[in-house]
Amino acid sequence: KAGVTQTPRYLIKTRGQQVTLSCSPISGHRSVSWYQQTPGQGLQFLFEYFSETQRNKGNFPGRFSGRQFSNSRSEMNVSTLELGDSALYLCASSSRGAETQYFGPGTRLLVL
Amino acid sequence: GENVEQHPSTLSVQEGDSAVIKCTYSDSASNYFPWYKQELGKGPQLIIDIRSNVGEKKDQRIAVTLNKTAKHFSLHITETQPEDSAVYFCAARAMGGKLIFGQGTELSVKP
Repeated sequence: KAGVTQTPRYLIKTRGQQVTLSCSPISGHRSVSWYQQTPGQGLQFLFEYFSETQRNKGNFPGRFSGRQFSNSRSEMNVSTLELGDSALYLCASSSRGAETQYFGPGTRLLVL
Repeated sequence: GENVEQHPSTLSVQEGDSAVIKCTYSDSASNYFPWYKQELGKGPQLIIDIRSNVGEKKDQRIAVTLNKTAKHFSLHITETQPEDSAVYFCAARAMGGKLIFGQGTELSVKP
């Protein structure tokens, strides 16, 4: 099976812009979670989607949003980018009812 | 709130030695504890996990132990090899379903 894929892999934006990141889960997986990884804060949970519904949410401002489509693909959006949003954004998928999460390679976002 | 503390932050061992990484979690309702290995430029890769109804699990050179009473769990790597060099993360899954990660341990195995 193909693993979790994320696009784009690298992105450079300027403050104030918005960005959309995409994640395609492993075939058959219906749960997608997003994480932000920074050197200072480590891996922090953003949100989780299952069957197009947000099931869990982390402690991030409303500028961070996400959605999931009927084919389980997911997108996350960050509006009004700040310098502190520079990070590696990771997506992980799991099958229904399973705890094990499989991560993609991430999208590295640099905000200038 | 929910928290996972991981120690040490860096660990250097000689090839063939053992490496131990320890984590402590705060939410007593946590019931699932995975360990991930992250190599440079890659996403975290699951290497082993343990559930709260099990005290120990082993997979070749890797083992994980769980002490629910003390809310501790540890990763043990025996006969370390240079390719074991990476950043290792522990995590705990609380009843709410979120995975809470430790801050990571950078393991360096010197040949």
